[in-house]
Amino acid sequence: DAGITQSPRHKVTETGTPVTLRCHQTENHRYMYWYRQDPGHGLRLIHYSYGVKDTDKGEVSDGYSVSRSKTEDFLLTLESATSSQTSVYFCAITPRPDFEAFFGQGTRLTVV
Amino acid sequence: TQLLEQSPQFLSIQEGENLTVYCNSSSVFSSLQWYRQEPGEGPVLLVTVVTGGEVKKLKRLTFQFGDARKDSSLHITAAQPGDTGLYLCAGSRTDSWGKLQFGAGTQVVVTP
Repeated sequence: DAGITQSPRHKVTETGTPVTLRCHQTENHRYMYWYRQDPGHGLRLIHYSYGVKDTDKGEVSDGYSVSRSKTEDFLLTLESATSSQTSVYFCAITPRPDFEAFFGQGTRLTVV
Repeated sequence: TQLLEQSPQFLSIQEGENLTVYCNSSSVFSSLQWYRQEPGEGPVLLVTVVTGGEVKKLKRLTFQFGDARKDSSLHITAAQPGDTGLYLCAGSRTDSWGKLQFGAGTQVVVTP
């Protein structure tokens, strides 16, 4: 199995609080991605990174920020969580976008 | 509107029947990938198609990449209950290399 770990696996938080999700990899892959998955929408790209300190927005980036200070860690932050951000969040890694992407187990986030 | 449009959204068939899932876009892709996702898990790669017009077979699954590299299809012959899952296509546009995006998915249910 690819070495990719998401933490936490489950979280319940209140509206307006900041939340940080962590993706950690041991594969030394260049590309890292954060997606959210909601019924009927498949996986929607939030942000991605193509190297340390190199990040770019995806299709649903509003309300989210990311940081990658080390190759192995990609952090997703919700500055002020809203109920619309209740979702399952997946991190993915790959050495190249046309190579196989490996996914973490997902984080189920509930904003109440 | 998602970059990759999948159809149908849902397919329910009997064991032994055939099915086809489509993935369409107005954009050109360097490659397209197909993933299958089981409940509670991250997606797992089935195949990557790279060359326009390419056909790849994986046991009872046949994948095609359109000549113009804008669309792809997945055909399953003699479906089995083990084929049940969410099928997702994914790709990185030629003009935004690195931005790996997914379609909304096709939920396939195969009943015995």
